[in-house]
Amino acid sequence: ELKVEQNPLFLSMQEGKNYTIYCNYSTTSDRLYWYRQDPGKSLESLFVLLSNGAVKQEGRLMASLDTKARLSTLHITAAVHDLSATYFCAVGSSNTGKLIFGQGTTLQVKP
Amino acid sequence: DAGITQSPRHKVTETGTPVTLRCHQTENHRYMYWYRQDPGHGLRLIHYSYGVKDTDKGEVSDGYSVSRSKTEDFLLTLESATSSQTSVYFCAISSGGSNEKLFFGSGTQLSVL
Repeated sequence: ELKVEQNPLFLSMQEGKNYTIYCNYSTTSDRLYWYRQDPGKSLESLFVLLSNGAVKQEGRLMASLDTKARLSTLHITAAVHDLSATYFCAVGSSNTGKLIFGQGTTLQVKP
Repeated sequence: DAGITQSPRHKVTETGTPVTLRCHQTENHRYMYWYRQDPGHGLRLIHYSYGVKDTDKGEVSDGYSVSRSKTEDFLLTLESATSSQTSVYFCAISSGGSNEKLFFGSGTQLSVL
């Protein structure tokens, strides 16, 4: 059974600081996703990572994938308040497209 | 934005009553999914569909049934709602390609009293 675990589950940080969210998964998978969710809103796709060593960057966010370690990271550089949200990683199946989600990491960036 | 509409957006119902949530898409995507979101659990897959009349169970399917009679509509039914089914329900769609993301609807807040 595929399980996905994120840590930390809650992160409070100062603007301008760097931090990393970790996503571990239990069985082999060929794709990993990162989503963002603002309070009371739907999920917005951030990144899709398809291969070992894949790295994608968008603004202050950078995601990477190590399939051998079954680990993905979401690195936040010089955080700003607008990045406050809950971030989910999800591991997928290319056969069915269905995703198994981590618990989510709630990020709070303080001025 | 992907053309996904969930209805209703909010619903309050009583224990033991049947409830049907609707997901409608205008993208002609093959795959459709129902997830529920609860604090501390992230999103959990209830059921999914890979084509008209083709559905399968997800992680938390007990107490739920689904139907897909048309490509564009995927219905989630709670046969006899319980308080444990109070949650936010999200529909998602995907074309199923190797690089394809899931696109999510706006969600339905369901309260079972």
